[in-house]
Amino acid sequence: AQTVTQSQPEMSVQEAETVTLSCTYDTSESDYYLFWYKQPPSRQMILVIRQEAYKQQNATENRFSVNFQKAAKSFSLKISDSQLGDAAMYFCAYSYFGNEKLTFGTGTRLTIIP
Amino acid sequence: DTEVTQTPKHLVMGMTNKKSLKCEQHMGHRAMYWYKQKAKKPPELMFVYSYEKLSINESVPSRFSPECPNSSLLNLHLHALQPEDSALYLCASSHMLTSDYGYTFGSGTRLTVV
Repeated sequence: AQTVTQSQPEMSVQEAETVTLSCTYDTSESDYYLFWYKQPPSRQMILVIRQEAYKQQNATENRFSVNFQKAAKSFSLKISDSQLGDAAMYFCAYSYFGNEKLTFGTGTRLTIIP
Repeated sequence: DTEVTQTPKHLVMGMTNKKSLKCEQHMGHRAMYWYKQKAKKPPELMFVYSYEKLSINESVPSRFSPECPNSSLLNLHLHALQPEDSALYLCASSHMLTSDYGYTFGSGTRLTVV
């Protein structure tokens, strides 16, 4: 069975600094996808970044980047130049090609300190 | 249109009431999902519709009844709910079998059962 683990229930960072959120996963599939979703108090689950397992290159989206270590089954999210609007719950999630289920980690609550 | 629209945003219902949640997308996604999310927890999958057919029911009680009238609409009919069913109900949609693999979530319906 696929599992996703986020070992940091809460993190905090000073505004404008860099923070890294950790995620590990377990799977026997070879063709899969990993996601980071952000859920602010407004409730909407917003896709931050996506990584295809077959791609060696780490995904980046502006201030957000991932460190994808396939052999270690690790998928961490780095947020650079943290902004107050980055404060939210962050969920790591997994799915594999052709499968309809999205498996979530337990989430990391990120606080930005002004 | 790149959104999933959910109505209503808030719903309070008694245990003997019948109500429905509605979800709509116009992105051509052929998979649609209902998730239930309790406070400070990750979303839990309830149902998946794939090409307008129910493909996954995660052993959800029969007081929750999903319906997919067409490829753009997804309903969740509620009847005789319990207070423990109070939660945020999220709808999502996705491409499944294309290279543009990802899930788009609505902003949810906050349900309170009294």
